[in-house]
Amino acid sequence: KAGVTQTPRYLIKTRGQQVTLSCSPISGHRSVSWYQQTPGQGLQFLFEYFSETQRNKGNFPGRFSGRQFSNSRSEMNVSTLELGDSALYLCASSPGGQIGGNEQFFGPGTRLTVL
Amino acid sequence: GEDVEQSLFLSVREGDSSVINCTYTDSSSTYLYWYKQEPGAGLQLLTYIFSNMDMKQDQRLTVLLNKKDKHLSLRIADTQTGDSAIYFCAVTGRDDKIIFGKGTRLHILP
Repeated sequence: KAGVTQTPRYLIKTRGQQVTLSCSPISGHRSVSWYQQTPGQGLQFLFEYFSETQRNKGNFPGRFSGRQFSNSRSEMNVSTLELGDSALYLCASSPGGQIGGNEQFFGPGTRLTVL
Repeated sequence: GEDVEQSLFLSVREGDSSVINCTYTDSSSTYLYWYKQEPGAGLQLLTYIFSNMDMKQDQRLTVLLNKKDKHLSLRIADTQTGDSAIYFCAVTGRDDKIIFGKGTRLHILP
């Protein structure tokens, strides 16, 4: 089975721009979660989608949004980029059901740099 | 709020045992995880333990859970150079979210 893929792997943007990141989960997985990883804050949960619905959400401003398509692929969007949004954005997929107890499979991440 | 704490760095000689420690605040956490992240890669689940277990062993890995003290540890026996990575402790929090620690960077000394 192919693993979780994320595109693009690297991205450079300037402040004020917006960005869309893409995640393709493992075939058959219906849950996709997004995380932001920074050296200072560690790994922080952004949101989780299951069957095209946002099932859970972290404490991020409304500039961060996401969606999931019928094929379980997910996108996240960040509008009005700020310098502090520079981070590694990780996507994780799992079969479904509850997050707890289900192994999450992580993609390699998208490294976003905001100048 | 819910929090997971772990030390940032650990240096261990090759062949010795590594012990990575973690404390958490949410006593209702049901699942507790250890993930490994190698440079340039995403996180890989190493093992997880249910909150009703005290110990879990899987080859070179041993997880110990002290639920009273809310303390979780990961022991890697016979540490190898390939074990060099960042290790994340994570627990399920309220609303079925997973809360991660900031990671412990394991450095292997020759």
